Amino acid sequence: DIQMTQSPSSLSASVGDRVTITCRASQSISSYLNWYQQRPGKAPKLLIYAASSLQSGVPSRFSGSGSGTDFTLTISSLQPEDFATYYCQQTYNSPYFGQGTKLEIK
Amino acid sequence: EVQLVESGGGLVQPGGSLRLSCAASGFTFSSYWMNWVRQAPGKGLEWVANIKQDGSEIYYVNSVKGRFTISRDNAKKSLYLQMNSLRGEDTAVYYCAGQVVVSATNWYFDLWGRGTLVTVSS
Repeated sequence: DIQMTQSPSSLSASVGDRVTITCRASQSISSYLNWYQQRPGKAPKLLIYAASSLQSGVPSRFSGSGSGTDFTLTISSLQPEDFATYYCQQTYNSPYFGQGTKLEIK
Repeated sequence: EVQLVESGGGLVQPGGSLRLSCAASGFTFSSYWMNWVRQAPGKGLEWVANIKQDGSEIYYVNSVKGRFTISRDNAKKSLYLQMNSLRGEDTAVYYCAGQVVVSATNWYFDLWGRGTLVTVSS
């Protein structure tokens, strides 16, 4: 199985900050990676698919990049509603998720 | 309005069974691969199982193989998860999720329900 490792596991930042979250695959997955946001007590929400494609309705401050084994999710200017947990998901074979990155207010 | 509504969760003893349902509305259910994803309390997301539009392909995570059965009824716009031989580690919120498939390796979950809590405890 392909393992997905996110870093950091948690992150403190302030409104307006630029934030980057990393997801690393244990083997190459080309660009077959999605990013989800989950607010407390809510269902996950798709942000980015195929590594860099922004899902309809998602603010443009969110962006994704990478291919092969290393991927990043960037939030260009944090807004209060962005404090949540973020998960990557590989789609190369089985739909496994990374362990999550909790983004907290500093 | 696009909706997925899960039901059937609750408290069950170890070794017991439970059947989850997910009712779909507002979209063409029969066009979607469907999934069950779970989240143990305070933990991350774990994909559990999925089923093709016509039920001809089904996949499970190893930890539930032989115990859980996913099924669907397109006429009723419903997804199901039969869970047998339940264990404490199956305690989680169970979400149903609709999957858009662009290609065999390019797909994503763009529809999610609110989840139903399953607690396995004596």
